[in-house]
Amino acid sequence: RKEVEQDPGPFNVPEGATVAFNCTYSNSASQSFFWYRQDCRKEPKLLMSVYSSGNEDGRFTAQLNRASQYISLLIRDSKLSDSATYLCVVSSRGGYQKVTFGIGTKLQVIP
Amino acid sequence: EAGVTQFPSHSVIEKGQTVTLRCDPISGHDNLYWYRRVMGKEIKFLLHFVKESKQDESGMPNNRFLAERTGGTYSTLKVQPAELEDSGVYFCASSLQQGAGEKLFFGSGTQLSVL
Repeated sequence: RKEVEQDPGPFNVPEGATVAFNCTYSNSASQSFFWYRQDCRKEPKLLMSVYSSGNEDGRFTAQLNRASQYISLLIRDSKLSDSATYLCVVSSRGGYQKVTFGIGTKLQVIP
Repeated sequence: EAGVTQFPSHSVIEKGQTVTLRCDPISGHDNLYWYRRVMGKEIKFLLHFVKESKQDESGMPNNRFLAERTGGTYSTLKVQPAELEDSGVYFCASSLQQGAGEKLFFGSGTQLSVL
């Protein structure tokens, strides 16, 4: 079983739609959680950190469920520019001392 | 402010040859990380420097890989001799601190192809 599991997709959604991605992790000692965005042939960029209380940044909402060991990312009112691969990232210690990446979920927003 | 830069962006070499990848972190970032993505697989951690010291090199595949960060500034990752399975994208990242929630800045990667 992979340490961080993601559905690779692709998720094809129309503009304006709401889309949600889930990610599960196997290490119950995991401490830090992140969503990164990676455009085609580009480097990953931090989208948002994920906290137990849940956090929101504009159209993006991230949630963490420690009991079930999953993380979610909700994108509302999808834009064409949201098309990218979304990487779930989990750290087994505080911060980035050693992180594990999911394979990423590909999102394609269609006009 | 300059971001993390990596050189070269692409490298095509033959099996058995040596390749050296370079990473220049953001100025002032003590933490430098190397990652690798093999096609169709997840990005995998290779190692972590704090200044010039190796904090964690548990992700290094084998002794054909050698990473250095002399002087605590730029870092090099040498593969010698390269094998076919070493092909992939090698990412470097840096961060100011290593605490929880600290932002990682990635370079654009080096695409390595071993033929």
